[in-house]
Amino acid sequence: GENVEQHPSTLSVQEGDSAVIKCTYSDSASNYFPWYKQELGKRPQLIIDIRSNVGEKKDQRIAVTLNKTAKHFSLHITETQPEDSAVYFCAASNTGNQFYFGTGTSLTVIP
Amino acid sequence: NAGVTQTPKFRVLKTGQSMTLLCAQDMNHEYMYWYRQDPGMGLRLIHYSVGEGTTAKGEVPDGYNVSRLKKQNFLLGLESAAPSQTSVYFCASSYYTTGPRGQYFGPGTRLTVL
Repeated sequence: GENVEQHPSTLSVQEGDSAVIKCTYSDSASNYFPWYKQELGKRPQLIIDIRSNVGEKKDQRIAVTLNKTAKHFSLHITETQPEDSAVYFCAASNTGNQFYFGTGTSLTVIP
Repeated sequence: NAGVTQTPKFRVLKTGQSMTLLCAQDMNHEYMYWYRQDPGMGLRLIHYSVGEGTTAKGEVPDGYNVSRLKKQNFLLGLESAAPSQTSVYFCASSYYTTGPRGQYFGPGTRLTVL
């Protein structure tokens, strides 16, 4: 089955700096890669996603890049704010039947 | 729309007891999922369903059973709870159109097995 690895497990940045979280996947059939944000005690929420026919996608301060050849994808958050502090999860899917999640990155934005 | 709801929010069981977690969604989604979340291990898929009357095993199905008798509901059962099943359980739903779509999660159920 698919194996998704996520790095780093913790990340601290100064407010206003950028944050980058990286994930690798093993199954070349995976073609959909969502990212979720989970605040403490809350449910995961989809923040951005990318499909295998696209190399990059942006939504305001958030962007995701995908390198199919290397089987890795990354989340980029620019101009970080304290409310960006949360745990971020990457995931990979092929058919939508199963999603395979990374182990999460705890992001702390220091005011 | 309420989205995805779960009941109960919290539960404490003794080893060997049984219980059922209920998930409901009002978005007419075909796909529904049950995950467990443990510290440092992300979200692991227990069971999933691609439509009413269908269920399938995920990564960690042992000790759990599910049923999807109605499209909007997905039940997760623990027949004989064990301490290793102490976790936070999330239900999610999704749909498929020209490819997979992101999942909508419920608020979670915190289960403690003593």
